Amino acid sequence: DTGVSQDPRHKITKRGQNVTFRCDPISEHNRLYWYRQTLGQGPEFLTYFQNEAQLEKSRLLSDRFSAERPKGSFSTLEIQRTEQGDSAMYLCASSLTWADTQYFGPGTRLTVL
Amino acid sequence: GQQVMQIPQYQHVQEGEDFTTYCNSSTTLSNIQWYKQRPGGHPVFLVQLVKSGEVKKQKRLTFQFGEAKKNSSLHITATQTTDVGTYFCAGFSSNTGKLIFGQGTTLQVKP
Repeated sequence: DTGVSQDPRHKITKRGQNVTFRCDPISEHNRLYWYRQTLGQGPEFLTYFQNEAQLEKSRLLSDRFSAERPKGSFSTLEIQRTEQGDSAMYLCASSLTWADTQYFGPGTRLTVL
Repeated sequence: GQQVMQIPQYQHVQEGEDFTTYCNSSTTLSNIQWYKQRPGGHPVFLVQLVKSGEVKKQKRLTFQFGEAKKNSSLHITATQTTDVGTYFCAGFSSNTGKLIFGQGTTLQVKP
């Protein structure tokens, strides 16, 4: 399967714990995006990378959120000191270049108890 | 900031009826992308429109991009139960380099 993959698919955690999600983009895609989606809403942009460089972070991304793409391939999104309001689907997408089609992974559904 | 509005939010149709969802951007777009998301699934790419006035057809689905590149529509002819899901438009702006999603239109089809 050469699509975007994400791990884990589901994560249940207790408030205050740290969680980390991984995204593997389509091979050779330079751009990698993270989105958050809550029930009944469209995906909301969080951050994106051009190769290993993080180019923009949404104001939705508080200081508890950090994302990396160390070698310009896979990316991780870490949430520290999780809160119940962090419960959502976290989607990763990749595209070949900046204006190209974005292809989404299956997402990681986070539930914070 | 850039906003993308989509209407209607929900649409219930009888199988065989037509369906249309509309998308409007507050700013001129470089392109617009349409996605379909099934319940419990992730957004799946349908089409990208780039040129002013562009029309693309995929079987029973017709996508249009407005002349001013600020609005778009998706029309489904003779809906089937397999068309059920939420359809999102997403506008890409070269100014921001970001894809901004509409709220989506959830389609229910009664057999």
